Amino acid sequence: EVQLVESGGGLVKPGGSLRLSCAASGFTFTDAWLSWVRQAPGKGLEWVGRIKSKNHDGTIDYAAPVKGRFSISRDDSKTTLYLQMNSLEIEDTAVYYCASSIADAFDLWGQGTMVTVSS
Amino acid sequence: QLVLTQSPSASASLGASVKLTCTLSRGHNNYAIAWHQQQPEKGPRYLMKVNSDGSHNKGDGIPDRFSGSSSGAERYLTISSLQSEDEADYYCQTWDTGIHVFGTGTRVTVL
Repeated sequence: EVQLVESGGGLVKPGGSLRLSCAASGFTFTDAWLSWVRQAPGKGLEWVGRIKSKNHDGTIDYAAPVKGRFSISRDDSKTTLYLQMNSLEIEDTAVYYCASSIADAFDLWGQGTMVTVSS
Repeated sequence: QLVLTQSPSASASLGASVKLTCTLSRGHNNYAIAWHQQQPEKGPRYLMKVNSDGSHNKGDGIPDRFSGSSSGAERYLTISSLQSEDEADYYCQTWDTGIHVFGTGTRVTVL
């Protein structure tokens, strides 16, 4: 089955860290460009960052609100995408989705994992 | 600056049609976009990619009553024969070097 499954969400205090995972199956993971997208409660979708396939240099880009605090990586041998989140802020509270594409439009989404930043 | 503009809401009767609009910011008329559907309490689902020439590529399993088109800086999603399960938020998405951008979403209500 073609799917993305996120895990690792939870409750964390401001200033804390959390690592999310996204396990992929059913498609050629090594060709995929993978993104993290988040959705704060009652709000719209916000792109967090993207990692290209190794065939495209594995370039990583981040949205301005998370640059310097979040880090995206991938393990092609485990067909898994990661999001390391440091220095978490209350405003980072959201459902975090992973999404895959071949270069541009997100054509596959995970079901999401909730991250709550609260004291 | 790359920005997508969507109306907050739209509504139509069961069995009718609704046309959603996503407008690209000035200077980005030739950009493709993608449409995504998000039903209540669910994750997003890819519907289709719409190119500047109006051609579109739908995702697997997307019904024929969903179609895409373009005119200038506007990209459209038309849902024909509205069903109750089409009641959802619809987001457009585009991309440029190093960034992805979402519109603010349109909530579709089926009357």
